[in-house]
Amino acid sequence: GIQVEQSPPDLILQEGANSTLRCNFSDSVNNLQWFHQNPWGQLINLFYIPSGTKQNGRLSATTVATERYSLLYISSSQTTDSGVYFCAVLSNFGNEKLTFGTGTRLTIIP
Amino acid sequence: KAGVTQTPRYLIKTRGQQVTLSCSPISGHRSVSWYQQTPGQGLQFLFEYFSETQRNKGNFPGRFSGRQFSNSRSEMNVSTLELGDSALYLCASSLAGTGFYEQYFGPGTRLTVT
Repeated sequence: GIQVEQSPPDLILQEGANSTLRCNFSDSVNNLQWFHQNPWGQLINLFYIPSGTKQNGRLSATTVATERYSLLYISSSQTTDSGVYFCAVLSNFGNEKLTFGTGTRLTIIP
Repeated sequence: KAGVTQTPRYLIKTRGQQVTLSCSPISGHRSVSWYQQTPGQGLQFLFEYFSETQRNKGNFPGRFSGRQFSNSRSEMNVSTLELGDSALYLCASSLAGTGFYEQYFGPGTRLTVT
């Protein structure tokens, strides 16, 4: 099945810093989503972005489907941004199931 | 509009017992998917239901089953519980017919098997 790798696995930043999280996938996809899981376990949908670029406030995402990667940018980090960020993809081939990456754990220090 | 709700939020069961978890999707959403999250395996897809039919299934044993009702509410059942079934069980609902377009997750049910 499709492989999804996220980097870095852990990231510790000072409040106000910017960050870039990366998601690489091994096959062509027709669905890619970014999620934020807060410390209480709630998964929040950030972006549905199978291709192109989207922005929502301090967050933006870019997916280059032909090169099989996606980037999530967080600017001017706040402590509430802490948590685990997941990307999830749906392959164009094989079983129809959303495959999640292993996540990037982001910790923002005040 | 109310979000996805899951009940119960926490559950402690003994090995060999069975458990039923419930998920109510966002109003108007007809697709419900279930996921298991563990520290070792991460987030894994269990199954997806759309219009009361199981449309997709992950790689889990037959002890894991589910169903969807006519109002789109869904239940999942785990029989003969094992210690390894301890996990956070998440359900997600989706509006579009493909099932996976923009998934919205509930708060999860944390199951502990002793």
